Amino acid sequence: EDQVTQSPEALRLQEGESSSLNCSYTVSGLRGLFWYRQDPGKGPEFLFTLYSAGEEKEKERLKATLTKKESFLHITAPKPEDSATYLCAVQASTSGGSQGNLIFGKGTKLSVKP
Amino acid sequence: EPEVTQTPSHQVTQMGQEVILRCVPISNHLYFYWYRQILGQKVEFLVSFYNNEISEKSEIFDDQFSVERPDGSNFTLKIRSTKLEDSAMYFCASRQGRKLFFGSGTQLSVL
Repeated sequence: EDQVTQSPEALRLQEGESSSLNCSYTVSGLRGLFWYRQDPGKGPEFLFTLYSAGEEKEKERLKATLTKKESFLHITAPKPEDSATYLCAVQASTSGGSQGNLIFGKGTKLSVKP
Repeated sequence: EPEVTQTPSHQVTQMGQEVILRCVPISNHLYFYWYRQILGQKVEFLVSFYNNEISEKSEIFDDQFSVERPDGSNFTLKIRSTKLEDSAMYFCASRQGRKLFFGSGTQLSVL
């Protein structure tokens, strides 16, 4: 069964304290791995797509990396405005052709204190 | 910046009643989706819609659910006879390339 597991469930950081979030996945064939940010009461907001092991993407203080079994979201010198839930999702080869059938993890709730 | 719009933001209904959740996808997008998130649980795929028909659906999307694009802008999710377990946040999304753009959701509470 295709599955996505994120850890930790919650992470508290001081402003400027860098850390990493983990997303491990088990899928029959990976078509893509996605990172989203979700603020309270809002829908997920797209951050990155990764397609193959070794790929990396960066955006401001965030950097996403991918291996054959997991992905990391590295947060460098976070600020309070980075506080949110970060969701990892995969598209498996067993999904249909719609390209929007994503399997989500439960997310990591990040709190950054000033 | 264009965004996906969902109405209402909150919907309270009695068990057994029909509800319609409404969405206006981003205007030049062609693929539309509904997801749901039960409190404290994962975001789950329900259905995808393209060219006026369902292209894919999950096991959750049973005969109680239906989707429709009644005109050129709206995309709706109907639940015919709501159950307590249908209580969740329902997200509409539209896709451009590999990116899904989500609305802010409709919180459905079934009493």
